[in-house]
Amino acid sequence: DARVTQTPRHKVTEMGQEVTMRCQPILGHNTVFWYRQTMMQGLELLAYFRNRAPLDDSGMPKDRFSAEMPDATLATLKIQPSEPRDSAVYFCASGLVETQYFGPGTRLLVL
Amino acid sequence: GDSVTQMEGPVTLSEEAFLTINCTYTATGYPSLFWYVQYPGEGLQLLLKATKADDKGSNKGFEATYRKETTSFHLEKGSVQVSDSAVYFCALSDNTSYGKLTFGQGTILTVHP
Repeated sequence: DARVTQTPRHKVTEMGQEVTMRCQPILGHNTVFWYRQTMMQGLELLAYFRNRAPLDDSGMPKDRFSAEMPDATLATLKIQPSEPRDSAVYFCASGLVETQYFGPGTRLLVL
Repeated sequence: GDSVTQMEGPVTLSEEAFLTINCTYTATGYPSLFWYVQYPGEGLQLLLKATKADDKGSNKGFEATYRKETTSFHLEKGSVQVSDSAVYFCALSDNTSYGKLTFGQGTILTVHP
């Protein structure tokens, strides 16, 4: 049963530190999405890629967030420097046509 | 732009009760419609979908019918179980943005024994 995997599952860091989250999409899926979920804002789309090319990153704070796909099996989301307001659950999802399959998320706490 | 509106939550029911979670949408063109479910501590999972008007999506006893005339996609289940306790998200895809989804705000469902 193919699944999206994300690492780490949990991350606690201090303000100002760099955070890197990784996602392995389902093999063969050509679209990858990054979301952030908080109680206050709900589910927000940060960025998405098709065939490894970024299509839209308008949901990301540009000064501190960056998203890349170094290859078809890896997507990364980096925050540098991290701030307490970045504390959230970050989800990666992959898809082939219109259905998205979500990973289990990375729970980030910035102190 | 596209938008999805879900009924206000949270929803609390007793086991075996009938469930309805309302969802309405605004979109140009002919979107596909989805219900996703999120269990505690997990990512979202596709529950069901419908790709054209009058289609009915169904899975695990849940059903939703794509109603173009009322721009709605209400989720129903005839008899809920404690294990159905989760957050339910209605979503649409405009079929032109490479699978990009527009989500509703989510509805928390709690089912008591």
